[in-house]
Amino acid sequence: DAGVIQSPRHEVTEMGQEVTLRCKPISGHNSLFWYRQTMMRGLELLIYFNNNVPIDDSGMPEDRFSAKMPNASFSTLKIQPSEPRDSAVYFCASSFGFDEQYFGPGTRLTVT
Amino acid sequence: GESVGLHLPTLSVQEGDNSIINCAYSNSASDYFIWYKQESGKGPQFIIDIRSNMDKRQGQRVTVLLNKTVKHLSLQIAATQPGDSAVYFCAEKGSSYKLIFGSGTRLLVRP
Repeated sequence: DAGVIQSPRHEVTEMGQEVTLRCKPISGHNSLFWYRQTMMRGLELLIYFNNNVPIDDSGMPEDRFSAKMPNASFSTLKIQPSEPRDSAVYFCASSFGFDEQYFGPGTRLTVT
Repeated sequence: GESVGLHLPTLSVQEGDNSIINCAYSNSASDYFIWYKQESGKGPQFIIDIRSNMDKRQGQRVTVLLNKTVKHLSLQIAATQPGDSAVYFCAEKGSSYKLIFGSGTRLLVRP
């Protein structure tokens, strides 16, 4: 099993640019989570999908952030326009039901 | 990957010794708990979990203890190895899907 796959692993962009992060969950998992991790705030849940449907997006910081899950094997997190304070490591995690979540390797985003 | 908090508590142990990492959880209604390990540059990795109807659960070289009376969780690592050096997070979950993560403990293994 390949585990959760995220791309890109690193992204450096200029303020104002659009950023798209991608995630492929573990096959058979029906829940997908996007997290953001920073030194100051730790791991924050941004959005949760169940069976491809967004259930809770209360953690999405602003309207600049959006997430989609067009099918069971793919999700995107988009930031437009990006700002320096969006710099963080973004993780995607998946699970079957409400049990243990398996995390991807993360995307390190730097916005200059 | 980044670890959390500028002031992560740190546990330093000698290689071969046992390690005990503690966690206080907040919600008495939480019924499921997980320990994650995060190495530098990687995502959190599932180690072991325990449900609230249990007090103890053992894995390979790891044991999780749950004390619901005082809302305390601990992770014991036997014969700690250099590869165990990482940040360890506990996480709790109640009836919803949300995992609430602790702030983490950094484990340093001295050779």
